[in-house]
Amino acid sequence: DAGITQSPRHKVTETGTPVTLRCHQTENHRYMYWYRQDPGHGLRLIHYSYGVKDTDKGEVSDGYSVSRSKTEDFLLTLESATSSQTSVYFCAISESRRGNTIYFGEGSWLTVV
Amino acid sequence: RKEVEQDPGPFNVPEGATVAFNCTYSNSASQSFFWYRQDCRKEPKLLMSVYSSGNEDGRFTAQLNRASQYISLLIRDSKLSDSATYLCVVHGGGGSQGNLIFGKGTKLSVKP
Repeated sequence: DAGITQSPRHKVTETGTPVTLRCHQTENHRYMYWYRQDPGHGLRLIHYSYGVKDTDKGEVSDGYSVSRSKTEDFLLTLESATSSQTSVYFCAISESRRGNTIYFGEGSWLTVV
Repeated sequence: RKEVEQDPGPFNVPEGATVAFNCTYSNSASQSFFWYRQDCRKEPKLLMSVYSSGNEDGRFTAQLNRASQYISLLIRDSKLSDSATYLCVVHGGGGSQGNLIFGKGTKLSVKP
């Protein structure tokens, strides 16, 4: 299995609080991604990174920010959590954006009450 | 037309059956295609890439039809352990995004 660790794996938080999810990789892959998966929508890209301090928005980036200060770490922050952000969040990595296999972390289950 | 479409199923089949899933995609410039498998409450994992010439891995066969813009996955001699959701994944062509587009998945349940 790819060396991807997500933390926390499960979290319950209150509406309006900030939340940070961490993704750590040991593969030295250049690209890192955050997806969310919801029933009826499948996997949707939130943000991705193509290098240290290089990030870009995905399909559903509103309400989320990311940071990548080291190759191995990619943080996803919910500035002020809302109930609509209750979801399972997957971090993923790949060597390049085109044609290479993407590997997923085990997921972080977030519930906003 | 949605970017990547799959029949959500569920497909309920007996052990030993042959089952086929189809997936259509809208971007004719798409270059790379994959099937991923996702077990309940687990992360998606690569099952196989899909090549223009078609490819086979044991009981699994993937086909690509660029003219009709669809890919297929055939599973022969189904096992109980094949029960999962199968995600069709297309790598978008062109542009600065070029990100992966995931289908919503087809659920397979193999029964004894």
